[in-house]
Order: sequence, then C-alpha cells, then structure tokens
Amino acid sequence: SQQGEEDPQALSIQEGENATMNCSYKTSINNLQWYRQNSGRGLVHLILIRSNEREKHSGRLRVTLDTSKKSSSLLITASRAADTASYFCATDSATSYDKVIFGPGTSLSVIP
Amino acid sequence: SQTIHQWPATLVQPVGSPLSLECTVEGTSNPNLYWYRQAAGRGLQLLFYSVGIGQISSEVPQNLSASRPQDRQFILSSKKLLLSDSGFYLCAWDRRTGPNEKLFFGSGTQLSVL
Repeated sequence: SQQGEEDPQALSIQEGENATMNCSYKTSINNLQWYRQNSGRGLVHLILIRSNEREKHSGRLRVTLDTSKKSSSLLITASRAADTASYFCATDSATSYDKVIFGPGTSLSVIP
Repeated sequence: SQTIHQWPATLVQPVGSPLSLECTVEGTSNPNLYWYRQAAGRGLQLLFYSVGIGQISSEVPQNLSASRPQDRQFILSSKKLLLSDSGFYLCAWDRRTGPNEKLFFGSGTQLSVL
C-alpha cells in the first residue's frame, strides 16, 4: 500500500506554539499533499510539494519532503485556536495518475 | 469557477434498505472522480475512483457500488445496507491531466445505518 501514515495521531498545544506533524509513505510518488478537515466537513487542500522539491512555504505553513526516507513534515507556526482540525497527508503514485491515498491523520487541538 | 455538490448532508437508513448518494461537479470537464469513506475519528478510505464515463475502479470489495452515468456525475449505491456501512462519505474530484494535483471535496454525507 502507498498509504501515508501520520504521527502523532493527536497533538495538543497552546496558542502561539508551533505544531509539527509527520507523514511517512511507502512507494515512489509524484507529489505529496496536505489537507485540513474541520469536524464533520470536507477536506480542504493546504499545500502540495513535488517529489523534486525539498521544502515549501505557504503563509504559516512549512512543508518538507525527504524522498530518501519517504517522509514529510507539516509545520504550522504561531498556531491559533482556529487551526484546531485534523490534518492529513495524501500521496499519489509515480506510476499511476488515477488515485490519491490518504493517511489516518493527526488531530490538532490548539488551546487558547 | 468549479464547484462540487454532494447530497444529502445526513442520512439515517435501516439495515437492508437501499442507498443512493449523488455527487455532481460543475465548471470543469473530464474530471477524475472519487468516493471516500471516513469512519469516526479515522482517515479516509478510498472506495471507488473513475477516470471517465462508465469507468469505475473499486479499491475495496464491499457492499457498495459506484456508477458514472455522465461526465460530471458520480453515484454511490447499495442494494442492502449493512451496519458497517455507517460513516462519513466524501466525494472528490481532480483534473485528469498528468499527476494528481489537488483534490476538491464535497461537504460530505453522514450516513447512519440503524
């Protein structure tokens, strides 16, 4: 399976702190994506990093990708209570353009 | 702009009853379409994906089926629901050009089978 695996499963931090979530996957990929899900809602795309990229930034988000270790991390800096949500990594397959597989996710709680 | 519609938002069905969930996409052509299921507090399980009309790939053998009668319409069905079919069902699409770029999700259907 190419499914990503996030850790930790749950993370609780104080507002203003940084939150780091990790993702590991098993097969070669074209890109890796991170999504956010508020409780009971659909997922929203946050950021995409391609297999030939090592780091990418978007606002308070920083994503890294290590293809040799088949791992990625998502860093949210200066967290806010509104960042409370579940975060998922998702990978495609380098040999197939037709599906995206999600990991089990990290539940982030930011305490005001 | 592109939008995705998924309905109903919530559904309560008795065991053994049929199911039909519908998803439509607007503002794009030839999308890849996906059905995912999410158990409470868990990740997303890919159920079906489609790269074109009438083309359905099943990821997990189960009590469900999917159909794509039109380019931008994706339907999830069951003839007889099981208790284990309960969950949060999400429809999604992305552009069918090369590597997967970005999935756009519907708002989901919370299905409770009682």
